[in-house]
Amino acid sequence: GQSLEQPSEVTAVEGAIVQINCTYQTSGFYGLSWYQQHDGGAPTFLSYNALDGLEETGRFSSFLSRSDSYGYLLLQELQMKDSASYFCAVRDKANAGKSTFGDGTTLTVKP
Amino acid sequence: DTEVTQTPKHLVMGMTNKKSLKCEQHMGHRAMYWYKQKAKKPPELMFVYSYEKLSINESVPSRFSPECPNSSLLNLHLHALQPEDSALYLCASSQVGRATNMNTEAFFGQGTRLTVV
Repeated sequence: GQSLEQPSEVTAVEGAIVQINCTYQTSGFYGLSWYQQHDGGAPTFLSYNALDGLEETGRFSSFLSRSDSYGYLLLQELQMKDSASYFCAVRDKANAGKSTFGDGTTLTVKP
Repeated sequence: DTEVTQTPKHLVMGMTNKKSLKCEQHMGHRAMYWYKQKAKKPPELMFVYSYEKLSINESVPSRFSPECPNSSLLNLHLHALQPEDSALYLCASSQVGRATNMNTEAFFGQGTRLTVV
């Protein structure tokens, strides 16, 4: 089966940089995704890494190290609207490529 | 059109009722999903349809019955639910990943908040 670990809560101030880590255990790894979900809203796709390295999309970046079974989401120039839950999700061959979500990290951005 | 539309947004039903949740997408995605999400928890996969055929059933009780009438529509039929089935039900769609590294990001609908009384 799969398992993912990410911190349950992170707090930071506006304008700061925050990194949310995700470690995973799975077989036949396909890729690691990150989703953002505001209270009462739907998960929104942020990024996907299949290969080692850094993917940058505006203020958000995501990193993957397949050898370490580790990835992170980096949020820069934090804004109040970034307060949300962030889920890492892993897709693997053993489960027909479907994604399994981590328990999520609640990010609180303070003024 | 990059939207997944779910109806209804809210649903209250009794344990003897029969109801259906509906999901629609027009992005040409051939994979569609039903997830269940409890408060402060991650989405849990229930069903996956690939090319209108059920490809994954995560051991979901038979009181939940999915249906995929065509490539744009996905339904979830509900019957004899229990109060513990109250949750946010999310529909999602994606391309079908053929290549190992293919990004098949999932687009989620806003969900149906279901309360079973």
